[in-house]
Amino acid sequence: GAVVSQHPSRVICKSGTSVKIECRSLDFQATTMFWYRQFPKQSLMLMATSNEGSKATYEQGVEKDKFLINHASLTLSTLTVTSAHPEDSSFYICSARGPQNTGELFFGEGSRLTVL
Amino acid sequence: TQLLEQSPQFLSIQEGENLTVYCNSSSVFSSLQWYRQEPGEGPVLLVTVVTGGEVKKLKRLTFQFGDARKDSSLHITAAQPGDTGLYLCVYNQGGKLIFGQGTELSVKP
Repeated sequence: GAVVSQHPSRVICKSGTSVKIECRSLDFQATTMFWYRQFPKQSLMLMATSNEGSKATYEQGVEKDKFLINHASLTLSTLTVTSAHPEDSSFYICSARGPQNTGELFFGEGSRLTVL
Repeated sequence: TQLLEQSPQFLSIQEGENLTVYCNSSSVFSSLQWYRQEPGEGPVLLVTVVTGGEVKKLKRLTFQFGDARKDSSLHITAAQPGDTGLYLCVYNQGGKLIFGQGTELSVKP
């Protein structure tokens, strides 16, 4: 199936710094990607929809200035957690709609962020 | 309120036992999907159910879509330790996925 790759898989940073997470579609073009956040033992929560060449659409309650999303190409979306704090520690996952238009979404491996 | 209510949220069973996970809603869906997520990884699609009353089988997993298309169930026969993971009932809203709370399944050898 289609492959979506995230980088880094794990990152530890100090409070107040910014962290960038990349999401790439490796063998297909993705005009739309989705970013999710997941706390331990919980389900995924949609944060925002990333649209290539335009502004991301954020879900209610998600701060757009805190979680900056850039979708500059058809194969890359980035999520930057700005001025990270310990409460931002979480598992961040991206997904992209597959090339076959079957409705299936393919997920990246996830990025675990720990803010000290 | 949660659009998709999954139950149970946690389940710990012995190898060889059977189990059923439920996904309920007051809304009618054109389709529902089930994903499985293993620790430290992204979710992987198991099945999409589309027709009311539909039953789909995937080896020891049986998925059912309610007649009224408001609910779905996942039944696992003779669970194996490899079935351990988070099972997610999902509504695909034009590519935007709405997740249930998930069922954390642990199968002990």
